[in-house]
Amino acid sequence: DIVMTQSPDSLSVSLGGRATINCKSGQSVLFNSNNKNYLAWYQQKPGQPPKLLIYWASTRESGVPDRFSGSGSGTDFTLTISSLQAEDVAVYYCQQYYSAPLTFGGGTKVEIK
Amino acid sequence: EVQLVESGGGLVKPGGCLRLSCAASGLTFSNAWMSWVRQAPGKGLEWVGRIKSKTEGGTMDYAAPVKGRFTISRDDLKNMMYLQMNSLKTEDTGVYYCATGTGRSDLDDWGRGTLVTVSS
Repeated sequence: DIVMTQSPDSLSVSLGGRATINCKSGQSVLFNSNNKNYLAWYQQKPGQPPKLLIYWASTRESGVPDRFSGSGSGTDFTLTISSLQAEDVAVYYCQQYYSAPLTFGGGTKVEIK
Repeated sequence: EVQLVESGGGLVKPGGCLRLSCAASGLTFSNAWMSWVRQAPGKGLEWVGRIKSKTEGGTMDYAAPVKGRFTISRDDLKNMMYLQMNSLKTEDTGVYYCATGTGRSDLDDWGRGTLVTVSS
């Protein structure tokens, strides 16, 4: 199984500030034949299901604000919120879909400082 | 717009069984890979298992904690997916989400979930 490790567990950021969440996979999730990283990021607000933000490590889902960006390749990935808004308070998860079982990181709780 | 609606959750005793359903619309269901993901109270997300489309073999994959106890099935004529849960344990308690991938990640769209509580 591919273990996904997220850091930090939580972070507090001022409104308008930058939030950076890291995700490390236990093995590469880069599929060489198509050069795609099978890594997604989700946002989950209280009482709601997760929402897909980023797929293929860096492709923003339709309708997701451009303050959200994903980067990285192989085993190391980052989700950045460039200018934190009040509505971004949530828990964020990375997830690999390179191989079954699909696995998630432990989550990062983002709060307003 | 893809819509997924779970049903069938409830309170069940340890050792009991329950069958969850997921009704799908807004997608070509027969081509879709469908998954179940669960979330224990106050905890993170845990993938339970998936069923591939029949054209890609219709095979199922399961997470280790549920293998041998849970079974995923699908009815492409009714646009439905099911999760048969047997020999339930208290640690199976949580919200169970139905999810599908339509070419972006494997979990592009999610239902709102159904709560399963395993308790004596």
